[in-house]
Amino acid sequence: EVQLLESGGGLVQPGGSLRLSCAASGFTFSTYDMSWVRQAPGKGLEWVSSINRSGRTTFHADSVKGRFTISRDTSKNTLYLQMNGLRGEDTAVYYCATIWDYWGQGALVTVSS
Amino acid sequence: QSVLTQPPSASGTPGQRVTISCSGSSSNIGSYTVNWFQQLPGTAPKLLIYSNNQRPSGVPDRFSGSKSGTSASLAISGLQSEDEADYYCAAWDGSLNGHVFGTGTKVTVL
Repeated sequence: EVQLLESGGGLVQPGGSLRLSCAASGFTFSTYDMSWVRQAPGKGLEWVSSINRSGRTTFHADSVKGRFTISRDTSKNTLYLQMNGLRGEDTAVYYCATIWDYWGQGALVTVSS
Repeated sequence: QSVLTQPPSASGTPGQRVTISCSGSSSNIGSYTVNWFQQLPGTAPKLLIYSNNQRPSGVPDRFSGSKSGTSASLAISGLQSEDEADYYCAAWDGSLNGHVFGTGTKVTVL
């Protein structure tokens, strides 16, 4: 069974940092490009970042460029999102996903003082 | 600031056909394939249609997708109560160098 399990979410103050992890199982992680997508409370879906299967090519939305970094560790079947300089508008549920067959259940990130 | 525009809502009675539009531009829908997602309340999105009109295994054939120029559409025929959800289109945007999602459409079964 395919599983994507996000972890690392929580409450953080503005300007703070957080690292999300996404543990993959049930499929060959190394053969899939991966993405992070977020959804602010009561809002629509917003693409955040993507990484290719080798990890050598990454893309980030303009809204997070320079603050967020996507990476992957194929030996651990895990996707990461390092989030620095967090702002209130980054408050959202963050989903990890393959592009786009499989999705995780989401991790809530709340940025507030 | 979604670059793909969808109507905020759509509705129909059980058994009816509902169509949702997704309007983009030459840098996204006009150049790349469109995917559609269904998000039931309180759950993660689920891939409904990929590559404009292909259904993943397990998706009922009541759901169909099409694309013409810089617009795409999702049709739900034989509407059922369990189809009540939010629906999103998405595509790669070559100008932004990233994926873009539609504004989302809430489907209500009357």
